[in-house]
Amino acid sequence: DAGVIQSPRHEVTEMGQEVTLRCKPISGHNSLFWYRQTMMRGLELLIYFNNNVPIDDSGMPEDRFSAKMPNASFSTLKIQPSEPRDSAVYFCASSPTYNEKLFFGSGTQLSVL
Amino acid sequence: GENVEQHPSTLSVQEGDSAVIKCTYSDSASNYFPWYKQELGKRPQLIIDIRSNVGEKKDQRIAVTLNKTAKHFSLHITETQPEDSAVYFCAASRDNNDMRFGAGTRLTVKP
Repeated sequence: DAGVIQSPRHEVTEMGQEVTLRCKPISGHNSLFWYRQTMMRGLELLIYFNNNVPIDDSGMPEDRFSAKMPNASFSTLKIQPSEPRDSAVYFCASSPTYNEKLFFGSGTQLSVL
Repeated sequence: GENVEQHPSTLSVQEGDSAVIKCTYSDSASNYFPWYKQELGKRPQLIIDIRSNVGEKKDQRIAVTLNKTAKHFSLHITETQPEDSAVYFCAASRDNNDMRFGAGTRLTVKP
């Protein structure tokens, strides 16, 4: 099993540009999570999906952030327009079912200049 | 939503000593409490977890205790080794799958 796969590993962009982060969960997992990690705020839950349905997006910072899960094997997190304060590591994680251990991807290091 | 607080933010111990990290949670409906270890530049990985129907769980040098009444749980690492140095995160979750993390504890084990 390849684990949770995120792309890109690193993204450097300029303020105002659109950024799209991608995630492929572990096959057969029913839940998918997006977290943002910074030194100041730690691991923040942005949004999570159960069976491809968004359950709680109250952690999404602003309307500039959006996430989709069109099928069980793919999810995207989009930031449009990006701002320097969005710079962080974004982790995707999946779990086999509800209330179970999370398997994290390697993360995307985003730098917005 | 759930609010998880974690203390201390940094912890330094001598090799061979024990380390204890404590977390409190706010939502009495939370029933799953995992602990993750994150080494520098790596992804968080689960090291131990406990459910609300259990008061204590042990795995070799690592143990977790849960006090449901007080809504707090703790991670205990005995006989610490330099390779235990990392950031440790506690988390709490309920049946709706809303998994929230504490702010993390940076553990340094000095040889």
